[in-house]
Amino acid sequence: AQRVTQPEKLLSVFKGAPVELKCNYSYSGSPELFWYVQYSRQRLQLLLRHISRESIKGFTADLNKGETSFHLKKPFAQEEDSAMYYCALRMNTGFQKLVFGTGTRLLVSP
Amino acid sequence: DAGVTQSPTHLIKTRGQHVTLRCSPISGHKSVSWYQQVLGQGPQFIFQYYEKEERGRGNFPDRFSARQFPNYSSELNVNALLLGDSALYLCASSNLGQGAVETQYFGPGTRLLVL
Repeated sequence: AQRVTQPEKLLSVFKGAPVELKCNYSYSGSPELFWYVQYSRQRLQLLLRHISRESIKGFTADLNKGETSFHLKKPFAQEEDSAMYYCALRMNTGFQKLVFGTGTRLLVSP
Repeated sequence: DAGVTQSPTHLIKTRGQHVTLRCSPISGHKSVSWYQQVLGQGPQFIFQYYEKEERGRGNFPDRFSARQFPNYSSELNVNALLLGDSALYLCASSNLGQGAVETQYFGPGTRLLVL
């Protein structure tokens, strides 16, 4: 069965430190992977998707099919990056179901 | 555009009651999905509707049902409420079928508490 695992509930770093939020997935087909972010008192929003191979707010994520991972990285964390981050997988089916991980709370301290 | 809107924002019900949650998608979006987010967990897929037809259903009991109206707004209904139905219910609309890379946009959610 498809599953997304985010092993860290909380990641606490200092401003300027590198950040890596881990995401591993389990899916036998060809997945689409996403990172969603939820800032305090805001709605869940798309941060980036693997097919776009883009960098958003300094964050990047590379899909590693061999390790079934899609870790989110940023070289220098900022205080405004503090938020809840969810990794999500969309299966290659006829409809657009997203499977989410349990989320990692990133706390960036000054 | 106000984005995806949901009503009500908060709701308190007792066990056995019925609840209806509402969602208005972004203008032009024809697809609506519903997710349940229990405290401490990620959102879990319940339904997807596209062009007023159910396109997908998650692993939820038949007490959960939904529909989509001609204006593409949607309702999620839950019958015979259980304590475990207490959660944040998220609605997401998407530009599915419109030629662009499909993206889901989430609403603020309805927080349901079952006592």
